[in-house]
Amino acid sequence: EAEVAQSPRYKITEKSQAVAFWCDPISGHATLYWYRQILGQGPELLVQFQDESVVDDSQLPKDRFSAERLKGVDSTLKIQPAELGDSAMYLCASSSGLGQSTDTQYFGPGTRLTVL
Amino acid sequence: GNSVTQMEGPVTLSEEAFLTINCTYTATGYPSLFWYVQYPGEGLQLLLKATKADDKGSNKGFEATYRKETTSFHLEKGSVQVSDSAVYFCALSRPAGGTSYGKLTFGQGTILTVHP
Repeated sequence: EAEVAQSPRYKITEKSQAVAFWCDPISGHATLYWYRQILGQGPELLVQFQDESVVDDSQLPKDRFSAERLKGVDSTLKIQPAELGDSAMYLCASSSGLGQSTDTQYFGPGTRLTVL
Repeated sequence: GNSVTQMEGPVTLSEEAFLTINCTYTATGYPSLFWYVQYPGEGLQLLLKATKADDKGSNKGFEATYRKETTSFHLEKGSVQVSDSAVYFCALSRPAGGTSYGKLTFGQGTILTVHP
């Protein structure tokens, strides 16, 4: 069964450093999502791509976060500089639809970031 | 705005007990409703979904009915097992349009622990 791949699974960094996370969605899935999940809370959307285009980045802290999905396949989420409050699980998800409410989103295992 | 409220946890049950996890939502229009499950150290997995009023989603013995009149989507299982121990998230997705592109809005999650 196809899965969403993410790497690394765990990342420890010091504040003010740069970090990057990678996601490879299920093959053929046009829509890709990055969520942030703070411990004890539900995930919150950071950015949504339709193919290579950003369609929703309203909750992305653009002064320090950036995301790209070149060629509309895999995606990278970057934080520079990292802050203590960025410690969280970063989840990538993909869906085969075009952002309809009925689409099922398939999640990867996540990257757990710890900022010291 | 859209929001999802889940019952406070954690929930602790004995094996074979009946499970209910309450979920209510606030949204404009006609959202789709989802239950996702997160096992320790893993990403989120879709448990079940319902896309219109009075639909019943079911999977692995779990059920939830989309109740538009009470804006609820409570999760139930008649006989829980130790392997059901996980965190359960209720979520909604609004139809695409305006500023909505089908993103998921999650509740805070409910921790379920089942003892033998």
